[in-house]
Amino acid sequence: QQPVQSPQAVILREGEDAVINCSSSKALYSVHWYRQKHGEAPVFLMILLKGGEQKGHEKISASFNEKKQQSSLYLTASQLSYSGTYFCGTAIFQGAQKLVFGQGTRLTINP
Amino acid sequence: DGGITQSPKYLFRKEGQNVTLSCEQNLNHDAMYWYRQDPGQGLRLIYYSQIVNDFQKGDIAEGYSVSREKKESFPLTVTSAQKNPTAFYLCASSIVAGNQPQHFGDGTRLSIL
Repeated sequence: QQPVQSPQAVILREGEDAVINCSSSKALYSVHWYRQKHGEAPVFLMILLKGGEQKGHEKISASFNEKKQQSSLYLTASQLSYSGTYFCGTAIFQGAQKLVFGQGTRLTINP
Repeated sequence: DGGITQSPKYLFRKEGQNVTLSCEQNLNHDAMYWYRQDPGQGLRLIYYSQIVNDFQKGDIAEGYSVSREKKESFPLTVTSAQKNPTAFYLCASSIVAGNQPQHFGDGTRLSIL
């Protein structure tokens, strides 16, 4: 039931782009994205609801393909501050009371 | 500023001992959650609560207990029945349970002496 994130880790140079994927074996109602820096609390980035909506947050955007049961997080022109571990959390129906999180993708941005 | 406060930041447990992790929020959120984080395994749900005096087991509740006597507080007890308690524990809250952003505390790192 846990969604699978890919890649598990990625290393970029500042200014490069990255894509992080979150795939589920079950139909999804929503996908949440969070970023966690080492030793800190995860921080909410965005929610995508069923309907293929794409959202953006500064230079970070995401899409949700409900047919493929997959969401992708796009980081454009990455900055050093984007480093951290990214988690997706999924809910399989509208009234779901909890999220199931993926294992995380560690993103390292080097100067 | 509103937020979630977890204490202590670091905690050590002796074999056979119960320990309690504190989680307090002043966001006026109804729902609260406890997660366990191990390296490379993401966030796994231990318990969650939608309202005061009510809570549900998550995916890995064995060896843990919680209470929700006040809206602001959701303490987690790691009992001696939890054989592998060393982990990073995160508390979170949201306006209501479900498809709402979750706000996380800074976590408690529990280690076994």
